[in-house]
Amino acid sequence: GAVVSQHPSWVICKSGTSVKIECRSLDFQATTMFWYRQFPKQSLMLMATSNEGSKATYEQGVEKDKFLINHASLTLSTLTVTSAHPEDSSFYICSARPPGLAFNEQFFGPGTRLTVL
Amino acid sequence: AQSVAQPEDQVNVAEGNPLTVKCTYSVSGNPYLFWYVQYPNRGLQFLLKYITGDNLVKGSYGFEAEFNKSQTSFHLKKPSALVSDSALYFCAVRDRFQKLVFGTGTRLLVSP
Repeated sequence: GAVVSQHPSWVICKSGTSVKIECRSLDFQATTMFWYRQFPKQSLMLMATSNEGSKATYEQGVEKDKFLINHASLTLSTLTVTSAHPEDSSFYICSARPPGLAFNEQFFGPGTRLTVL
Repeated sequence: AQSVAQPEDQVNVAEGNPLTVKCTYSVSGNPYLFWYVQYPNRGLQFLLKYITGDNLVKGSYGFEAEFNKSQTSFHLKKPSALVSDSALYFCAVRDRFQKLVFGTGTRLLVSP
């Protein structure tokens, strides 16, 4: 089956620093990747849709200057949390959808837990 | 707007008993419905989907879901629960922009 990896799996950083999270589709090319944020005991909230070779589309209320997304290749998307603050601490999950059928399921990465001190 | 509701925060079932995790949907047009499972500190794993066709959809790990148009429901079921099925289950619907909209999740606890 399709495999999506994320790196790192967890990261702790100081307030004010930036953190980059990578999302890779290992055995398929993904023209579209998605970034979600999950708070404890809550559902996944879509942050942005990342399209290879173009700018990401952010959901309402998500600061594009704070959460920088780059989808430079068909197998890699990155999320950079700039000037992180404790309220950015969360579980970040990416997903990727294989090309082709519009209703293909998304394949999710294992998630990255970010803790900002 | 497309949405799904999972009315139960938690479902408790004894091992070997059948389990049901409920999901109702609200969509305009044909619904594309999904079930995912999440284990602690892990990403989501796809279980099954309904696009069209048979109302009973079979998925991974012995799970199945029944699409009921009149009741706008898409309940997840398994005939015999395992302790290892204990996890967080999410129902989701794809909206017209092909984004997944998730329910709030239901924690399934299977006791030995």
